[in-house]
Parts: sequence; structure tokens; C-alpha cells
Amino acid sequence: QKEVEQDPGPLSVPEGAIVSLNCTYSNSAFQYFMWYRQYSRKGPELLMYTYSSGNKEDGRFTAQVDKSSKYISLFIRDSQPSDSATYLCAMSLSNFGNEKLTFGTGTRLTIIP
Amino acid sequence: EAGVAQSPRYKIIEKRQSVAFWCNPISGHATLYWYQQILGQGPKLLIQFQNNGVVDDSQLPKDRFSAERLKGVDSTLKIQPAKLEDSAVYLCASSPPRGEAFFGQGTRLTVV
Repeated sequence: QKEVEQDPGPLSVPEGAIVSLNCTYSNSAFQYFMWYRQYSRKGPELLMYTYSSGNKEDGRFTAQVDKSSKYISLFIRDSQPSDSATYLCAMSLSNFGNEKLTFGTGTRLTIIP
Repeated sequence: EAGVAQSPRYKIIEKRQSVAFWCNPISGHATLYWYQQILGQGPKLLIQFQNNGVVDDSQLPKDRFSAERLKGVDSTLKIQPAKLEDSAVYLCASSPPRGEAFFGQGTRLTVV
């Protein structure tokens, strides 16, 4: 079993729809949870991070962490064609920074105009 | 602020040949990472440096991969000899203390 599981998609939704992306994990020691966005032929860029359980909102993006279920989600509201990318969840054990990241496989998302 | 620089962007080599990748992190970032991203998978850490010391190289195939970080700044990752399964994107990232990791654009390696 992989430490972090993520549905690879692909996922296609019409512009303006709400997108839900999810990851599950097996290591209960993970403390920091991140979402990265990766455009084609680019490196991943950090979208959001959360510490432990709870919600965090940033503009059209909301990250949720449920440590009791070992489940994290990223919601994108009012999706735009520019949101088309691969979304990677990532986790680390004890620090934000200076700590290796364990990634999911990534979900490829396409927003249809 | 300049980002993480990597070169080359693309490399095609035959199996059993050797190859080297170069990374220049963001100025002042003490931590440097090399990740391997195979097509359709998430990045996997190969090696992590703190300044010029190795913090984690548990997933580095040491029989063929080597890495060094010169004077705690630039880093090179070498593969010798390459295998077909080494075809991947090699991503370099750097981070400041208790800050997010910034990734370079990666080097896409194809082994034929």
C-alpha cells in the first residue's frame, strides 16, 4: 500500500463548476498537508498548506484535512480554464520546510470553456 | 527573486551511458532536494541536503546515482550507468528554514 493515494483522473469539468480533489494516506504521523499545482512541463508550485486537521480558504481554493479519517481535500470554486493542471497532494512529518515531502500520484484536471 | 535553475532541460542518452544534472537553488536557501518524477507518478525524494551535508538519501540508488552539493550552493546529480527505468523528470527544489519548497522546471531524461 502506498503511503499516499490519489485518484490520477483525468478529471474534466465545465468552466464555473466546483472541483473536488482528494487524497488518502496511511501514516498517521503526517502533520503538514500541502497541495501543489503542476502545469505541463513545469515544476510543482505550492498552492496551499494546512497544519493538522481543519479547513483553510484562499480565494477560490479551500483545503480540508480530516486526520481521523486520514483524508484531505482541495476544493476549487468557480473553476477557470487556467486551473487546468495536475494537482498533487503532499505531506510531511514534522516541519513545514526542511522536511521531505511524500507526494500522491497527482490528478490531472481539465476545465472545459 | 530568481527561481531554482536547472540544466539541461532535456537529455536523451542510451542505456549504460552516464549523465549529470545541475541545480542552482534560490539564494540563501540552505535546504536542497532532488526528486525523481516518473511519468504518471508524484515526485519521489532521492536526496536532501542541508547546506553541504546529506540529511536523507535513503531512496537514492547508490550503486548508480550520486549527488553532491558544492560549497552548500549548487548541486549536481549523476547517473552512471543509466537504465531504461531511469527515464523521468528530475526536479530540484530548495527551501529556506521553515519555509515552502520551491521547485525548478526539471530535467526530462529519456534513456533509450
